[in-house]
Amino acid sequence: GENVEQHPSTLSVQEGDSAVIKCTYSDSASNYFPWYKQELGKRPQLIIDIRSNVGEKKDQRIAVTLNKTAKHFSLHITETQPEDSAVYFCAASEYKLSFGAGTTVTVRA
Amino acid sequence: EPEVTQTPSHQVTQMGQEVILRCVPISNHLYFYWYRQILGQKVEFLVSFYNNEISEKSEIFDDQFSVERPDGSNFTLKIRSTKLEDSAMYFCASSEDRGLFFGSGTQLSVL
Repeated sequence: GENVEQHPSTLSVQEGDSAVIKCTYSDSASNYFPWYKQELGKRPQLIIDIRSNVGEKKDQRIAVTLNKTAKHFSLHITETQPEDSAVYFCAASEYKLSFGAGTTVTVRA
Repeated sequence: EPEVTQTPSHQVTQMGQEVILRCVPISNHLYFYWYRQILGQKVEFLVSFYNNEISEKSEIFDDQFSVERPDGSNFTLKIRSTKLEDSAMYFCASSEDRGLFFGSGTQLSVL
């Protein structure tokens, strides 16, 4: 099955700086790569996703890049704000989603 | 905006008891899922359901687990004889195509 590795496990950034989270996946058949944000005690919420026919996608301060050859994808958050503090999960799938272990992002004011 | 709804939000049960977790997926979605998350850990896939049958299940989803879509709106997860290690947050999710939308979860505590 699919194995998704996510790094780093924790990330602390100064407000206004950028945050980058990286994931690798094992199954070359995976073709869909979403990112979820989970605030404490709440449900994971889809923030951005990318399909395998696209190399980069951007939505305001959030961008995701995908390198299918290397089987890795990354989440970039620019101009971080305190409300960006949360756990971020990457996932990969051909059919069912397999999640990474999560990155706890803390934005320092 | 449509949401996946789950009930109850919290469930406390004794080991060996049966529990049923309930979900109402988003109405035009065709694919339904159960995931669970042990405190502080990753979200783990349990089972997917499409066209009134299980399409895939994980090793966690053993004979103690079952799912059902008893009518046109509800989707349930039953644990027949709960174990201590079943304590977790259980998320239902649904999708129209690829992006999953999660419910707010049921926190299951097995004592």
